[in-house]
Amino acid sequence: KNQVEQSPQSLIILEGKNCTLQCNYTVSPFSNLRWYKQDTGRGPVSLTIMTFSENTKSNGRYTATLDADTKQSSLHITASQLSDSASYICVVSATTGNQFYFGTGTSLTVIP
Amino acid sequence: DGGITQSPKYLFRKEGQNVTLSCEQNLNHDAMYWYRQDPGQGLRLIYYSQIVNDFQKGDIAEGYSVSREKKESFPLTVTSAQKNPTAFYLCASRKTGTGINYGYTFGSGTRLTVV
Repeated sequence: KNQVEQSPQSLIILEGKNCTLQCNYTVSPFSNLRWYKQDTGRGPVSLTIMTFSENTKSNGRYTATLDADTKQSSLHITASQLSDSASYICVVSATTGNQFYFGTGTSLTVIP
Repeated sequence: DGGITQSPKYLFRKEGQNVTLSCEQNLNHDAMYWYRQDPGQGLRLIYYSQIVNDFQKGDIAEGYSVSREKKESFPLTVTSAQKNPTAFYLCASRKTGTGINYGYTFGSGTRLTVV
């Protein structure tokens, strides 16, 4: 069964600290993996897109990694800011069936 | 700029009323989707459409209806049959196909509250 699981469900960190969010998937055949950031009361916005051949991709203070062998991805946030407080959603797509699979998200709260 | 627009941002519904949420996109995307999001939960698919005049039920279609008369528009009606409609509703669109250029673009959402 194609599934996407994210951990932790929620996370609270101090401003300036780093954190790592996890996404494990069983989607096959794998096409790509996206991390979205969803601010409260807003729609999700794409942060990064990872394909099978990519191990690491950065977008400012956000760095995503992908291990296609273990079917795991992580999103590392460096030097967190209050504006990083949001829900982060992992979405994995398959190469067949035009299917996208959503994780339930990690809620991140950055406190001063 | 191309994008996807949802309106209204906030909507209040009385018991027994039908309400319609608007979703418009100018991205020339073929596929459009409606998701429901409840606090602390992931996105749940209500309906989707991959072509004009055709749409499919998602996982939680009961109490909802849609139409797709134009490529740009995919309105969602929350009927009185939906017993617990208070939620955040997200509309999304994308080009059909796989690969990195076929991801979702989301609207900014409509928060529906039953009063």
